[in-house]
Amino acid sequence: EVQLVESGGGLVQPGGSLRLSCAASGFTVSSDYMNWVRQAPGKGLEWVSVIYTGGSTSYADSVKGRFTISRDNSKNMLYLQMNSLRAEDTAVYYCARVPRYWGQGTLVTVSS
Amino acid sequence: DIQMTQSPSSLSASVGDRVTITCRASQSITTYLNWYQQKPGKAPNLLIYAASSLQSGVPSRFSGSGSGTDFTLTISSLQPGDFATYYCQQSYSTPVTFGQGTKVEIK
Repeated sequence: EVQLVESGGGLVQPGGSLRLSCAASGFTVSSDYMNWVRQAPGKGLEWVSVIYTGGSTSYADSVKGRFTISRDNSKNMLYLQMNSLRAEDTAVYYCARVPRYWGQGTLVTVSS
Repeated sequence: DIQMTQSPSSLSASVGDRVTITCRASQSITTYLNWYQQKPGKAPNLLIYAASSLQSGVPSRFSGSGSGTDFTLTISSLQPGDFATYYCQQSYSTPVTFGQGTKVEIK
């Protein structure tokens, strides 16, 4: 059974950093595109980043240069390193093997 | 990026009603269109993939149609558990993009 479990969210001050983790089971993270999608409170779904099977990456303009997606094939983990965080980055962050498999989400709150 | 526009943004309906939600892409995405249901505090749940294929375990009252730029999600007879927000999403090209959502509320 495929499972995705995110962790690492929390409260961080503007300008701070946070690393989100996504533990995958039931498949290998290197075998498919893996995405981060976020949802600000009361808002819709916003794609954040993708890592392809070959290791190349892509980012939304809103996070480019601040966020870095990566994976550890040996641990079957996906990560999102978030730097220079802003209030508008406040959201629930989902790890997703779009379209079928999504994690439960982890809340990131950027506030002083 | 491909823009996805859903309508309406919200609707009120009664149990047993037939409900239709539309989604328009800013360019042709052939049938690379997915539909999700999301309830408060939960992750999106895939209902329809490839425009018209019903995801395993999803009730048959949900159906999808369309190709190119215009797509429709239909709930043939609304049930109490269907009150939620629905999103379309294109997977034709990166970045994947979502519609703004349609909230289905109880009349």
